[in-house]
Formats: sequence, structure tokens, C-alpha cells
Amino acid sequence: SAVISQKPSRDICQRGTSLTIQCQVDSQVTMMFWYRQQPGQSLTLIATANQGSEATYESGFVIDKFPISRPNLTFSTLTVSNMSPEDSSIYLCSVEYPGTQYEQYFGPGTRLTVT
Amino acid sequence: GQNIDQPTEMTATEGAIVQINCTYQTSGFNGLFWYQQHAGEAPTFLSYNVLDGLEEKGRFSSFLSRSKGYSYLLLKELQMKDSASYLCAVTSGGSYIPTFGRGTSLIVHP
Repeated sequence: SAVISQKPSRDICQRGTSLTIQCQVDSQVTMMFWYRQQPGQSLTLIATANQGSEATYESGFVIDKFPISRPNLTFSTLTVSNMSPEDSSIYLCSVEYPGTQYEQYFGPGTRLTVT
Repeated sequence: GQNIDQPTEMTATEGAIVQINCTYQTSGFNGLFWYQQHAGEAPTFLSYNVLDGLEEKGRFSSFLSRSKGYSYLLLKELQMKDSASYLCAVTSGGSYIPTFGRGTSLIVHP
């Protein structure tokens, strides 16, 4: 199984500011994803982080609001820009390992509160 | 689009058996995942069903009926540590990235 770490684990931010969340994996993976989990809601995919190219965003999510970097096969960042209280959520990164049955391994999550 | 439905909350007694149902509507169904998520923790993989039938893994079993758009997760010999949210997720079309349901919060009491 994967060892995935995220920083920060939690943060309280003021509206209008931006926060960058880091995701580090213990081995090289092709597929990395960013999800959002709002209170009482399901996991919602924000984007697929592609190494060496722009991220692929899901409907309702745009690059200006959620810029993503993927400089190599073990690391990615998600920035939540110009935050509002509606962005308060848990943000999780996940990876899919080659050879597994498409199962995803999730990081511990970043709990973001915007005041 | 996809529509995934599962009960919001269930309660059960330690040592008992509980069945958590999931129904889905999607085109081009590939497979169905079950994940367990303890409060404040990341989801962890439990099972992935592609074919009809029951797959057993220790105390946990997962069933799929593709024709009925239906799955269930069966937990036997319940333990207090099984109190968690159980997420049903479906893959479809050309993508193996799952779409998650809202999850079922299971409370196991003594």
C-alpha cells in the first residue's frame, strides 16, 4: 500500500487569501487526484494532476480557482485561491498504483476552514 | 451523469451482521468500489466488484448485481471499530476514476 502525506493537516484562513496544499507519495505513481469532501457530503473529484502537463479539471472546477502543479511522479500541490467560506472543506489527494485493481489510496486530508 | 444512492445512517449491535445497500444509475458501468472512512481519517479501500456475485474477504463481503444496478456490503461479527462511514463508488464509461456516493454512517453499539 501507499504512504501518502499531506501538508498542512489543517488550517484556518481568512477570506480572499490563498492556501497551497502539498501531497507527497513514497513511490512514483502515474495517476494523482485531488478531491474535496464538504461536511456531510461525498468525495468530489476536483482534478487529475498530470505530470508534465496541465491538470484535467472536472465540471465546476477551474484552473484559476484551483491551480495544480505536478512537477514529478511523487509530488503534487493544490492551491485554493481567493478563498471564501464556501471553500471550507477537507481536501484529499489520492493515487492509483500501477498493477492495482484501479483502487485509490488516499492521503490523510487537509481540513480547511475559511473565516 | 451518475446517480448513487445509499442510506445516510445505520445502527447495529456489536457481534451482529449488517448489510449496507447501494443502488446506482449510470451508463457504461465498469465496476463498483466500497471504501471505509473513519471520522477524521482518509478513506481506505475495501473491495472492487466488476462481475455479478458475492466476494468475501474475512468479515466483509461485497455483492454486485449489474442488471439491477445494486450492490451491498455485508459486515459480519460487528466490532466497535467498524463504526465508520462506508462509501459506495462507481466507475463508468472509459474512466476508472470513481464517482462516490454520500456514504453511510454506521454506528455500532454494545
